[in-house]
Order: sequence, then structure tokens, then C-alpha cells
Amino acid sequence: SQQGEEDPQALSIQEGENATMNCSYKTSINNLQWYRQNSGRGLVHLILIRSNEREKHSGRLRVTLDTSKKSSSLLITASRAADTASYFCATDSSNTGKLIFGQGTTLQVKP
Amino acid sequence: DAGVTQSPTHLIKTRGQHVTLRCSPISGHKSVSWYQQVLGQGPQFIFQYYEKEERGRGNFPDRFSARQFPNYSSELNVNALLLGDSALYLCASSFRLAGGNEQFFGPGTRLTVL
Repeated sequence: SQQGEEDPQALSIQEGENATMNCSYKTSINNLQWYRQNSGRGLVHLILIRSNEREKHSGRLRVTLDTSKKSSSLLITASRAADTASYFCATDSSNTGKLIFGQGTTLQVKP
Repeated sequence: DAGVTQSPTHLIKTRGQHVTLRCSPISGHKSVSWYQQVLGQGPQFIFQYYEKEERGRGNFPDRFSARQFPNYSSELNVNALLLGDSALYLCASSFRLAGGNEQFFGPGTRLTVL
């Protein structure tokens, strides 16, 4: 079963614009991770945020976590065509690395 | 350094057959996890192994089994294949079992069951 729900399911923007994806989950977590997947290939780890953190940055990526609302958001600034991919949030509730993924957001960045 | 490798890349089987998928983790990584990703959905956890012992199992039938070898590579076996087993099977490795460690995913094995 899926833990998280992601919103929107699909997002289409122009190059240079910002993209925001949201993730909601149901149970308490130890950490939440965001992954990118290109064309049905393997997942690439983007960023991990722990339950006691509220915000993390990595390059053009900014992740926020609101444990009271059981939600997280991923912001990609100044998007590029190469950012076109599916983005998944994954929660780790047991702190054992067993990840429960959301359904994903498909992002299309038009050049 | 090589990343996580999986073999084969693609596989076509018929219903009722058996399949074995293989995964080699990043050198030094002792934990291997398997995920099933059906088209259009997020990956679903199948198994986690650490130091050759099963440490977690997802909600999958007994037709699914796995093992980890002394060199930390792993096999996922699926018996009596069903059409619904068609999916991308992903392997992930991490250095430790504990959460909060980045997991590195392989490119996956695309299984098609006819």
C-alpha cells in the first residue's frame, strides 16, 4: 500500500519557472526522502529530511517538512528541460530504510 | 566505483514460469532491498536483507522469495508468475540497515509476463 499521496499528479512548466510538488503521508515518520526517476529507469536520491528538520536545501532543490500536517513539499527553482522526470516522496517510519513511496508527480519542463 | 547493478535488464516470461533476478550492491554496502514498480505507480517494498538475513518483508505472496549471499549480492525469485507480476523490479543498496541512510537504486529489471 502507498503511504503518501503526491500532488499534483502531473505538472507542466516552462524552462526557468519554479516547480512545486507536494507529498502527504499518513503515519508518523523518522525521515522523508525525495527521488527522481527518468523514463522508468532507476531512482536517483535527491534529498533526505529528518522528522526534526523543517527545511533543507540542495542546489536548486528546497524541501520542507511539516510533521503536524504530515506533509512535505519539493521546490525546484529555475527549472531546466533536464529536470523532466517523475518525482517520488518516500517515507521511512521504522528507521530501518524500508521506504514507502507515493504515487509520484510527473514533471515536464518545456524548453 | 560501479553503482548498483541488476541483471537481466529485460525479461519476458509466460504465466506459471519462474524467474530469478539478480542484484549486486555497491562495494561495501551490506543492505539490499527489493522493490516492485508497476507502471504508473510508485515502487512497493518487497524485501530487505542485511548481513544475509531477512530484515523486512512487504505485503507480497509467498511466491516471492529472496536471499543474500556472503558477497552481499542478492537474488529475487518469483514462482508461478502471474500477469500482474509484470513490473520494473528495483534493487537498492545502502551501507547500513539503519534508516536515514541514502539508498542507491539500480537501473531495474523490466519483467513482462505474457
